[in-house]
Amino acid sequence: QQQVKQSPQSLIVQKGGISIINCAYENTAFDYFPWYQQFPGKGPALLIAIRPDVSEKKEGRFTISFNKSAKQFSLHIMDSQPGDSATYFCAARRGSRLTFGEGTQLTVNP
Amino acid sequence: EADIYQTPRYLVIGTGKKITLECSQTMGHDKMYWYQQDPGMELHLIHYSYGVNSTEKGDLSSESTVSRIRTEHFPLTLESARPSHTSQYLCASSENQGETQYFGPGTRLLVL
Repeated sequence: QQQVKQSPQSLIVQKGGISIINCAYENTAFDYFPWYQQFPGKGPALLIAIRPDVSEKKEGRFTISFNKSAKQFSLHIMDSQPGDSATYFCAARRGSRLTFGEGTQLTVNP
Repeated sequence: EADIYQTPRYLVIGTGKKITLECSQTMGHDKMYWYQQDPGMELHLIHYSYGVNSTEKGDLSSESTVSRIRTEHFPLTLESARPSHTSQYLCASSENQGETQYFGPGTRLLVL
């Protein structure tokens, strides 16, 4: 049973554009929602995270929007750069365990 | 930022061999995790530990076993490797009250 669904599977954006990745979850017991960025040959690294009592969190060019009633959250990357090309994973935490989405491979063309 | 190390980074081995994937962290984190990830795919939790002598199975069934004798080490063992075990194995750790999991670089395993 997939508890965190992520879309799209792949995304191609032009440099300077906005990248948007969406996630939906089922379990209302999740209490923390991080996004991880993974480059080829590397382990995932935390990018930004949000708690369900906040509707939006912004760090630099990265913003999480959170809709508790719809059980959805999204990552927005403003002014996307070729260096942002990576795989992005949303996740949801219950206790100390994370459940990950399927991942989105982002390509930012120069 | 946590320092978490995995060895080997790459391993090619024949069917039936016993292998141990090493994971160590230098930040004194209580919690450690093993994930299995096929290339470009989602991460699946296969084992976790909340401290020394504590290990639990994760969400994805795995034939591997783990041990946690020391806080900083969390090795994963496959007694008899099979081609179906071919994957990337990622180790992570977090503070006892922390939210962030810090990942190692992973071990890419190929079983022939």
